[in-house]
Amino acid sequence: DGGITQSPKYLFRKEGQNVTLSCEQNLNHDAMYWYRQDPGQGLRLIYYSQIVNDFQKGDIAEGYSVSREKKESFPLTVTSAQKNPTAFYLCASSGTTYNSPLHFGNGTRLTVT
Amino acid sequence: GNSVTQMEGPVTLSEEAFLTINCTYTATGYPSLFWYVQYPGEGLQLLLKATKADDKGSNKGFEATYRKETTSFHLEKGSVQVSDSAVYFCALSDPGGGSEKLVFGKGTKLTVNP
Repeated sequence: DGGITQSPKYLFRKEGQNVTLSCEQNLNHDAMYWYRQDPGQGLRLIYYSQIVNDFQKGDIAEGYSVSREKKESFPLTVTSAQKNPTAFYLCASSGTTYNSPLHFGNGTRLTVT
Repeated sequence: GNSVTQMEGPVTLSEEAFLTINCTYTATGYPSLFWYVQYPGEGLQLLLKATKADDKGSNKGFEATYRKETTSFHLEKGSVQVSDSAVYFCALSDPGGGSEKLVFGKGTKLTVNP
């Protein structure tokens, strides 16, 4: 079955360390996205990529970085510059036609202490 | 800018009760409207959508009608089940924009008790 795989499901890090969250899709989608979900705040877009080797900042990109070297993969690095990194991170993908729905992974819960 | 406002949760209902989750929006032009559902421990899934005024989206017994005159897209279900317990997100997409233009509401948590 096609889908999006995020790993790991839970991740713990010490403050000051960079951490990379994995996102892989086999839906053959061109576009991929990273969202952050905090209680009571809905989803906020961190970065998105519409094509390999290209990506754009979303609404809250500061303290994060991404790469898109392969169509299937869109890893997110949470750097030590992110002031409040503890959150639930969701990866999504979609086609690029108008109103293509988003397909989400099951998320990674990152806890930084 | 575009925005979505959902009713505050949490919402707690008994099985077989009628559900309404209110959603209103602010947008220029004619956005498309969506409801996504997030079950515990999972990502979001598209529940239903409507792309123009007076369209009704429906899926799994849920319905929502795109009302341009009231800028609303309320989610309804006639008889909820325990398995409907989840967080529901209303969203709109900027007309002419890609999915990166999707704007989400803050979500409404629904708990259905047996």
